[in-house]
Amino acid sequence: ETGVTQSPTHLIKTRGQQVTLRCSSQSGHNTVSWYQQALGQGPQFIFQYYREEENGRGNFPPRFSGLQFPNYSSELNVNALELDDSALYLCASSFLFSANYGYTFGSGTRLTVV
Amino acid sequence: SQQGEEDPQALSIQEGENATMNCSYKTSINNLQWYRQNSGRGLVHLILIRSNEREKHSGRLRVTLDTSKKSSSLLITASRAADTASYFCATGRPTSGTYKYIFGTGTRLKVLA
Repeated sequence: ETGVTQSPTHLIKTRGQQVTLRCSSQSGHNTVSWYQQALGQGPQFIFQYYREEENGRGNFPPRFSGLQFPNYSSELNVNALELDDSALYLCASSFLFSANYGYTFGSGTRLTVV
Repeated sequence: SQQGEEDPQALSIQEGENATMNCSYKTSINNLQWYRQNSGRGLVHLILIRSNEREKHSGRLRVTLDTSKKSSSLLITASRAADTASYFCATGRPTSGTYKYIFGTGTRLKVLA
């Protein structure tokens, strides 16, 4: 059973640029959720994907967008990067309707915007 | 926005002591989970308690849930230096046919050897 893999692990971008973060979900999981975690804070829900469609969104602007692929892997895209986008981005996979199980998290991508 | 608030924000104890951290939340939930995070990396799922459960154990972990007070507590017994980490509660609610988990602000635990 494979876990959740995120890439890259670290990334430095310039303000105004665009970035794509990638996540491969755990085998058997069909749902991917993305979280942003600023330093010293708890993870903030960005959005969730199921069956290649967005299935709920947190309080993030449209420049945060995502994709889910047929193999359940996912991408998070952020356009027009701002300094405040600097954070740890976490991907979590789960099985839809799994009220009895938790998420499996990846190790995260540390994004620094300069 | 954060659904849960952990208390205390930081806790420092000696190895062998018990550590208790609390979580309060605002809205009704279906379940509540606790996660551990080491050094700002990925979160590790520790335990899930359903809204109709009051207490759950897993190894050295004991979780209680009081839905009338909208609060939960995590007890780590006989703590070890390796337990040093941040601990988060996450509340689960059904939304659009799935479950979304909203995290609290975390408790930073330091266990001194």
